[in-house]
Amino acid sequence: AQTVTQSQPEMSVQEAETVTLSCTYDTSESNYYLFWYKQPPSRQMILVIRQEAYKQQNATENRFSVNFQKAAKSFSLKISDSQLGDTAMYFCAFMKPNYGGSQGNLIFGKGTKLSVKP
Amino acid sequence: DAGITQSPRHKVTETGTPVTLRCHQTENHRYMYWYRQDPGHGLRLIHYSYGVKDTDKGEVSDGYSVSRSKTEDFLLTLESATSSQTSVYFCAIRESERVGGYTFGSGTRLTVV
Repeated sequence: AQTVTQSQPEMSVQEAETVTLSCTYDTSESNYYLFWYKQPPSRQMILVIRQEAYKQQNATENRFSVNFQKAAKSFSLKISDSQLGDTAMYFCAFMKPNYGGSQGNLIFGKGTKLSVKP
Repeated sequence: DAGITQSPRHKVTETGTPVTLRCHQTENHRYMYWYRQDPGHGLRLIHYSYGVKDTDKGEVSDGYSVSRSKTEDFLLTLESATSSQTSVYFCAIRESERVGGYTFGSGTRLTVV
């Protein structure tokens, strides 16, 4: 079974600084998807970034980028130029691809609570 | 973005009473999911559906049942609510079977007293 581990329950960063959130996972699959979701105090789950395991290039979305190390099974999220609006819970998630079957469920880590301080 | 709504947004109920949470989507996505979120546990899968009347259990399905009689609606029922089922419940849909990733509803905060 796949597992996702986020080893940092809480982190804080000063506004405009850079912060990196860690995520490791365990799987025997060679192809899969990895995600980072953001949950602000509003409770809404927001997709931040997505990585496909067969793509070697690290995904980037504006100030958010990942460091995907497939051999190490590591998927960290870097937030550059942190803003107060980045304060949120961040979840790392794993998904095995599914093509017509009954799999493809998202498996989440326990989350990292990020506080951006002015 | 796909339209996905959950109702109710908040609910307080008594131990032993039945409770049904509703998830509604405005498009014809095949896969729908129910998760619960608890501090220190992240989100855990309760049940999911891969089509009308096609459902399966997730990691924490005990005490829950689901039904999907129409593509757009996925219902989660707590037959006899217990205090351990106090949680935030999220519904999600998978918009693309190929690309992956979910869109979530706004969540239902359920308190069992």
